[in-house]
Amino acid sequence: QKEVEQNSGPLSVPEGAIASLNCTYSDRGSQSFFWYRQYSGKSPELIMFIYSNGDKEDGRFTAQLNKASQYVSLLIRDSQPSDSATYLCALYGSARQLTFGSGTQLTVLP
Amino acid sequence: EAQVTQNPRYLITVTGKKLTVTCSQNMNHEYMSWYRQDPGLGLRQIYYSMNVEVTDKGDVPEGYKVSRKEKRNFPLILESPSPNQTSLYFCASSLTGTTEAFFGQGTRLTVV
Repeated sequence: QKEVEQNSGPLSVPEGAIASLNCTYSDRGSQSFFWYRQYSGKSPELIMFIYSNGDKEDGRFTAQLNKASQYVSLLIRDSQPSDSATYLCALYGSARQLTFGSGTQLTVLP
Repeated sequence: EAQVTQNPRYLITVTGKKLTVTCSQNMNHEYMSWYRQDPGLGLRQIYYSMNVEVTDKGDVPEGYKVSRKEKRNFPLILESPSPNQTSLYFCASSLTGTTEAFFGQGTRLTVV
């Protein structure tokens, strides 16, 4: 079992819809959780981070963390074509190793 | 400007010829790491360092070496590159081993 699992997609949503991205992890000692966005051939850039159970909102983005169920999700409201990218879930595990999922490719259709 | 700088951005080399990819950060970060990214496999960690003179293997360390003699620099060394090390490489740094990571621009390496 991979430490960080993401649905690779591709995920397509129409412009203006809500995109929902999910991530599960195996290390119960994981502390900090991150969502990165990566455009093809570019460096990952941070979208959200979340450390505590519950929801965290930042503009059109909401991160949700449930440590008991070992999942973290990202909701993108009012999706725009510019949101089309690969979204990477990442976390620091017990060994302080920053581990990434394989990413979910999102396409927002105009 | 706060940044992580990798060099070179592009490199084509031949099998067996030693090479070094440099990584430098100007944010006084303790934690630095190297990743390789291959289609369908995501970012896989090669090595990481939690501070000067402290390095640990990541998920795919075979064929790579690193050193952390200064806080700002974390070079990646391929002693004898092979074609299966052809990949896109990223260096990243973070303040500690729990905070967000900042990435360099990437190095596209081709080994022929």
